[in-house]
Amino acid sequence: SQTIHQWPATLVQPVGSPLSLECTVEGTSNPNLYWYRQAAGRGLQLLFYSVGIGQISSEVPQNLSASRPQDRQFILSSKKLLLSDSGFYLCAWSVRASGARSYEQYFGPGTRLTVT
Amino acid sequence: KNEVEQSPQNLTAQEGEFITINCSYSVGISALHWLQQHPGGGIVSLFMLSSGKKKHGRLIATINIQEKHSSLHITASHPRDSAVYICAVRGFFGNEKLTFGTGTRLTIIP
Repeated sequence: SQTIHQWPATLVQPVGSPLSLECTVEGTSNPNLYWYRQAAGRGLQLLFYSVGIGQISSEVPQNLSASRPQDRQFILSSKKLLLSDSGFYLCAWSVRASGARSYEQYFGPGTRLTVT
Repeated sequence: KNEVEQSPQNLTAQEGEFITINCSYSVGISALHWLQQHPGGGIVSLFMLSSGKKKHGRLIATINIQEKHSSLHITASHPRDSAVYICAVRGFFGNEKLTFGTGTRLTIIP
């Protein structure tokens, strides 16, 4: 069966510090991978998605970046955190879609980031 | 106006009541997802549907493509159903993006 891991579970970082959140998926190959953010009191927002190694699409311009160094590894980074980066960060995966077909997305446990 | 609107935003009901949560969207879609987010933040996918109706246990999801509307129903509600229920839609043809509603917070009182 497939599992998705995220770490750390919680993180408190000062403004201006760097960030690295990691997500790994087990039990599947060639997944689509996603990073979402949920700010306090707001809905989920797609930040990045990846359909393969080194292939990253950004949905929202910001001071965050994403990388996919391996097939089942997705990393969210920042060089300098802002207060507005606080939120709940979720990684998700889905079977790689072909054409118009849709697949369910499976979410990791999330990382709660507080920037102070 | 958001592309995905959910109603109600908050819903409190007694245990055993029949629950309906609504989702309306304004764009063409290839699929609609219903997700459940528990207080700790974890998200579980409940349904993905593109037409008709699906049922898992006490949960039923329906979608009307012509009216751009979906409903999530919970029969015989239980306190453990208390969570935020989120509707999300996917566009067409290679667009991997899901657009999310802001969620419905459901509280079931024993």
